Amino acid sequence: DTAVSQTPKYLVTQMGNDKSIKCEQNLGHDTMYWYKQDSKKFLKIMFSYNNKELIINETVPNRFSPKSPDKAHLNLHINSLELGDSAVYFCASSQDNWGGYTFGSGTRLTVV
Amino acid sequence: AQSVTQLDSQVPVFEEAPVELRCNYSSSVSVYLFWYVQYPNQGLQLLLKYLSGSTLVKGINGFEAEFNKSQTSFHLRKPSVHISDTAEYFCAVRKAGGGADGLTFGKGTHLIIQP
Repeated sequence: DTAVSQTPKYLVTQMGNDKSIKCEQNLGHDTMYWYKQDSKKFLKIMFSYNNKELIINETVPNRFSPKSPDKAHLNLHINSLELGDSAVYFCASSQDNWGGYTFGSGTRLTVV
Repeated sequence: AQSVTQLDSQVPVFEEAPVELRCNYSSSVSVYLFWYVQYPNQGLQLLLKYLSGSTLVKGINGFEAEFNKSQTSFHLRKPSVHISDTAEYFCAVRKAGGGADGLTFGKGTHLIIQP
């Protein structure tokens, strides 16, 4: 069983479209995250979320929104996609007893 | 806020030689420190972490790192590298304690193992 799974693995779409990336974790972790890795491999946190708080990186455009139907899922919705949104998006989860952060294998988004 | 500096964007090393990947951090509060490895077209795998206690931390695949609070460093070392260690290595930091804070990453160091 994959601990943190993301779908789809690859996503190619046109500018202006709306798309979603799904993330599920089976580790029982309390907190989930979305990170963006740009073409230079720089990783930047976008959101972190648990049942108590949502922390939003202020540099993330409001076209991006996290949706959590339950503790094991944190989906990423993106409206009005732009060329600059092309990147690899990683989902991750963690638990407060600090086993570390577990990352998914990533979703490569290409906007054309 | 925290920040991480990885001084070398690329480190070429011959196979079986030792390697050190440098990481310095900046923070006004206590922190937890991490090293992650990313193999080509894959996700991130945790190599090791420092939360508290002994400043020398041993991780997977023969890697270790030493936390130096006075120098605000957390350098990663391996005594003898293999071709399979070729990958991107990321140092990361977050403030100590609980909560939903995520990791702040350095820009990564590409380790290139030469035969």
